[in-house]
Amino acid sequence: DTAVSQTPKYLVTQMGNDKSIKCEQNLGHDTMYWYKQDSKKFLKIMFSYNNKELIINETVPNRFSPKSPDKAHLNLHINSLELGDSAVYFCASSQEWDRGGAYEQYFGPGTRLTVT
Amino acid sequence: GEDVEQSLFLSVREGDSSVINCTYTDSSSTYLYWYKQEPGAGLQLLTYIFSNMDMKQDQRLTVLLNKKDKHLSLRIADTQTGDSAIYFCAEEGPADRGSTLGRLYFGRGTQLTVWP
Repeated sequence: DTAVSQTPKYLVTQMGNDKSIKCEQNLGHDTMYWYKQDSKKFLKIMFSYNNKELIINETVPNRFSPKSPDKAHLNLHINSLELGDSAVYFCASSQEWDRGGAYEQYFGPGTRLTVT
Repeated sequence: GEDVEQSLFLSVREGDSSVINCTYTDSSSTYLYWYKQEPGAGLQLLTYIFSNMDMKQDQRLTVLLNKKDKHLSLRIADTQTGDSAIYFCAEEGPADRGSTLGRLYFGRGTQLTVWP
């Protein structure tokens, strides 16, 4: 069974369009994330949600809006797509324990977004 | 906590040992992590080390931590072609508001190529 799934796997679209990427986890985790990986493989966190509440909101354009309808889902909506948005977007999830354990994140397979 | 440095490429012959090095910046990081990314896939947690430890061994993997120099290394013994992947080092940043866990900062990854 897939632990963290994302759809679509590939997304090709034109500049100016609006698109969404969906993420679902079946691990029962209460924290979910969106990461962006650029062409040089640099991985940077964009957002983090804990129990449907936004925790981390890195400096990303407000064209990016995460939405968490429930603990198991975190979707990413992108308005007015630009060439620089082309990247691989990863969803991840983890369980928040009381501090004392390692911080294990489970990643989805990624969505490769190409803006033309 | 955002300057995690790794060399970008490493090539070894099958059966040899691989050593991937990383330097990090946040001395308060409770755990330090190694993630593996295979082609077309998300990141997968390989191993981690508690910051009070110098070494951790897990089957073919040995993690060495030099806290004084903020240097982390991953040694893979008897490297196999299936070990070819990108390896990411990660440190923890401080916890954000509303969370008990800090965010992860990743290095740019080391592409390990194993030749038969």
